[in-house]
Amino acid sequence: EPEVTQTPSHQVTQMGQEVILRCVPISNHLYFYWYRQILGQKVEFLVSFYNNEISEKSEIFDDQFSVERPDGSNFTLKIRSTKLEDSAMYFCASRATGTYEQYFGPGTRLTVT
Amino acid sequence: AQTVTQSQPEMSVQEAETVTLSCTYDTSENNYYLFWYKQPPSRQMILVIRQEAYKQQNATENRFSVNFQKAAKSFSLKISDSQLGDTAMYFCAFMKPHTGTASKLTFGTGTRLQVTL
Repeated sequence: EPEVTQTPSHQVTQMGQEVILRCVPISNHLYFYWYRQILGQKVEFLVSFYNNEISEKSEIFDDQFSVERPDGSNFTLKIRSTKLEDSAMYFCASRATGTYEQYFGPGTRLTVT
Repeated sequence: AQTVTQSQPEMSVQEAETVTLSCTYDTSENNYYLFWYKQPPSRQMILVIRQEAYKQQNATENRFSVNFQKAAKSFSLKISDSQLGDTAMYFCAFMKPHTGTASKLTFGTGTRLQVTL
């Protein structure tokens, strides 16, 4: 069964450094999402992406964040200058046209020190 | 803005018993979707069940079923014949569909379910 994959599974970085989180959505899906979950808290929406542009973004998704679909398979989330409060689990999700189920990847645990 | 409330932070059930997890939501929309996701200790988010608001019939998926009360804005999850593998965090989520654009999920705070022997 096709699934969303994410790399790396765990990333440790120093405050102020740039990180890129990578996702490979399910191949025939056209809608892509990033969510984050701070430890012990609920899952929060960051950004949605469709037709090579951002559809919606939350107030968390400020100028330090960007998303890109550099080729036909990858979907990336970049944080330009990480802060301690960016430490969280980051989930990528995708869904197919005509359906509304979002399928999540296993997540990338980002630790900012 | 839509809000999703899960009022039970933690619940416990014995193996083979039935448990119901509560979820309420607030929206002025008439057309929307509701979901339950399971997050085991591995932290993977797994879709359990989906309900379309325009459907009166409650969704079922094997041992999982929902009680959808649109007027009351309530969407509870019933797990029958609970198994140890059901131990997980369960999140209720709301989505308003937007044609031609991506539609985000709004999650509740979750209910931690422990299945015991």
